[in-house]
Amino acid sequence: DTAVSQTPKYLVTQMGNDKSIKCEQNLGHDTMYWYKQDSKKFLKIMFSYNNKELIINETVPNRFSPKSPDKAHLNLHINSLELGDSAVYFCASSQGTGGRAFFGQGTRLTVV
Amino acid sequence: GQQVMQIPQYQHVQEGEDFTTYCNSSTTLSNIQWYKQRPGGHPVFLIQLVKSGEVKKQKRLTFQFGEAKKNSSLHITATQTTDVGTYFCAGPPRAGYALNFGKGTSLLVTP
Repeated sequence: DTAVSQTPKYLVTQMGNDKSIKCEQNLGHDTMYWYKQDSKKFLKIMFSYNNKELIINETVPNRFSPKSPDKAHLNLHINSLELGDSAVYFCASSQGTGGRAFFGQGTRLTVV
Repeated sequence: GQQVMQIPQYQHVQEGEDFTTYCNSSTTLSNIQWYKQRPGGHPVFLIQLVKSGEVKKQKRLTFQFGEAKKNSSLHITATQTTDVGTYFCAGPPRAGYALNFGKGTSLLVTP
């Protein structure tokens, strides 16, 4: 069983489109995250979310929005995609914010 | 805000040589974690250090947490080709916050 799974693994789309990436964790963790990894491998926190609180990195454009239907899922919705959004997006989870993080396999997003 | 810096950015070694990566935070950390990401893969947790001056070993890997809890290092003895990947340190800027990752050190090991 994959602990943190995200879909799709690859996503190629045109500028201006809206897309979603799904993430599910079966570890029973209370906190989930989205990280963006650019071409230089820099891992940047975008959002962290638990039952109670959504913390948004202030540098994230408001075209990005996390949606959590329940504790085990944290999806990422992106509006009006831009070329600069091309990156690998990782979902992760932990027990307690800032705890040991378990990462999904990543979604490579390419905007053309 | 907190910054986590790592050096070197890249390291290329011959198999059997030792390797060290250094991590520095602009703020005191409650804990520091290390992750390894293989090429094409996702970050995988290696270890967490919590106490000032703590040293932990995992086979050929030695992890240290500085006395001031602002720096850390990872040392690999006698590298092997399986050590190839990018090593990240990470720490929460304050308790209850998500991990901030350093920019990583990419290790290449040639046989």
